[in-house]
Formats: sequence, structure tokens, C-alpha cells
Amino acid sequence: QLQLQESGPGLVKSSETLTLTCNVSGGSVSSSTHYWGWIRQSPGKGLEWIGNSYYTGASYNNPSLKSRLSTSVDTSNNQFSLKLTSVTAADTAVYFCARGQTYSGRPFDYWGQGILVTVSS
Amino acid sequence: DIQMTQSPSSLSVSVGDRVTITCRTSQTVNNYLNWYQQKPGKAPKLLISTASSLQSGVPSRFSGSGSGTEFTLTISNLQPDDFATYYCQQSYNSPRMYTFGQGTKLEIK
Repeated sequence: QLQLQESGPGLVKSSETLTLTCNVSGGSVSSSTHYWGWIRQSPGKGLEWIGNSYYTGASYNNPSLKSRLSTSVDTSNNQFSLKLTSVTAADTAVYFCARGQTYSGRPFDYWGQGILVTVSS
Repeated sequence: DIQMTQSPSSLSVSVGDRVTITCRTSQTVNNYLNWYQQKPGKAPKLLISTASSLQSGVPSRFSGSGSGTEFTLTISNLQPDDFATYYCQQSYNSPRMYTFGQGTKLEIK
């Protein structure tokens, strides 16, 4: 059974860089039929897709985050990561990592439990 | 960008009711439309992919329909475990862009 687990700081200061890692077990990030994505949810709000990465090194990020976001896959450690620079209070959210399919509707079929990140001033 | 309009935003319902949630997209997404259930403090759970394909283990009282720009999620004979928030999501432009609907919260009447 595939499992994803986010890790990283729960508290980040404004203007600093947020780095999160998602460890994958029970499957491989080198899969050619899956993307590895990040979705966030601000307190009491809906879901926002923020970025995807692929084992080849390709990455796709939500334009709303402009150049602040980078995502990558680490095949050696079977994990993938997110780096968000110049964070503000608006980046306070629960961050989920998830596996995206490249087929059959392309949904996110497995999710991590989520990690709450609070940006403080 | 493809805009999503999900309605209603909340619904007060009773056990045994039949519930219909609608999701409209600003342009066609063919059938690249998925539905998720989210309970408080938990990650979303995939219920339906490709507009109407029920995921393994999901009760048959859940069904999805539609194509193009209009989609529905129907829950027949609502059970206590179904009180949650439901989101639609388009993946037409995957992997470059995904959009979620605003969510529909089912509340106990």
C-alpha cells in the first residue's frame, strides 16, 4: 500500500524559505505513470494545487506562485520536495503531498496526511 | 485558466436523503473531472475519477456523471459517514494545471 508522509517545519518566519519533503513508501517516485504533487489548504478554505514534479526532473508550478516555487523529485531517497521562497502570512496552510496519475482522469489518488505550516511575522 | 463553479456551497441534509452536487467548468474539460471527499483534519479522498469511474472501495451510493462543462456527484441514501466536504477537480491541463471547485459541505439537518 502506497504511503506518503510530509515533513518539515511547522513554523516559518515571514520572508524566509519553506522547504517540505514528502517521503514515499510502498511505491517508487521513479514511476513513469505518476506525477508527484503538492496541494495546500489555507485555514477554513478550499484546496489549491501548487505544483507537480516528475522523475525525469520536469516540474510544473501554479502560475499564481510565480517564481517563488520549485518542486523536485529525489529518486535516490524515494522522496520529493517543495521549496517556497519569500513566504508571507498568505502561505499559512496545510500542505498535502499527493500522487497524481498520468492516466484515467489524472486524479490525485494517494495523499499524505498533511502538515500545517504557519508563517509568523 | 479554467474556472470551476461548484454548487451549492453547503447543504443541510438528513440520513437517507439523495444529494446532488454540481460542478461547472468555464471551458470543456472532456471527462477530466474528479471528485473528492474531505473530512475535518484529514486529507481528501478520491471518490470518482474520469467523471464517473468509482474508485475501488467507494460505496455504490456514490455516482458521478457529466462531460464537457457540467458534472454532477450524486449520493443516494445518505449515510452518517457521508457528512463531509466534497470537491470537484479538473485535470484537463494536467500536469501543468489543476483546479479545484470551492467545495460543498454537507451538514446534518
